[in-house]
Amino acid sequence: QQQVKQSPQSLIVQKGGISIINCAYENTAFDYFPWYQQFPGKGPALLIAIRPDVSEKKEGRFTISFNKSAKQFSLHIMDSQPGDSATYFCAASMGDDKIIFGKGTRLHILP
Amino acid sequence: DAGVTQSPTHLIKTRGQQVTLRCSPISGHKSVSWYQQVLGQGPQFIFQYYEKEERGRGNFPDRFSARQFPNYSSELNVNALLLGDSALYLCASSLAVQETQYFGPGTRLLVL
Repeated sequence: QQQVKQSPQSLIVQKGGISIINCAYENTAFDYFPWYQQFPGKGPALLIAIRPDVSEKKEGRFTISFNKSAKQFSLHIMDSQPGDSATYFCAASMGDDKIIFGKGTRLHILP
Repeated sequence: DAGVTQSPTHLIKTRGQQVTLRCSPISGHKSVSWYQQVLGQGPQFIFQYYEKEERGRGNFPDRFSARQFPNYSSELNVNALLLGDSALYLCASSLAVQETQYFGPGTRLLVL
């Protein structure tokens, strides 16, 4: 059973555009929702994270929007750059360190 | 400042063999977690250790085991390797439990 569902599987965006990746979860006990960025040959790196008491969090060009009632959250990358081309994972955890990852979105930014 | 280090970077084994993967956490970090990432999928939680004690275990068979040493480094052991064990094995460290986890570059294991 997939606890965190992520879409789309792949995404192509023009340079300067907005990249949007969506995730949905089922378990209301989740209380921590991080996003990770992974480049080929590297481990995942924490990009930004949110807790369910906040509806939005922004760090630079990256914004998480969180909808608790719909059990959905999304990552928006503003002014997307070729260097943002990577695989992005949404994830969730519930008070412990067992992070449950989505299947990933392969993002490609066209120069 | 060194991040999480893992060794070896790549490994090729045959079915039925045993393998040991190693992880050194960021200095000062006392918690280590292990994840398996199959090609094209997100990482899956295998184990978490804190202060040398197992704190969590994912849905993996008993062929998988791990331990944490007094210097907080960790080893992941996999016995009786199967073709399906081919994956990137990631180690993540954190200061303590329920703190941000920082991932290493992983060990890529290929089972033939």
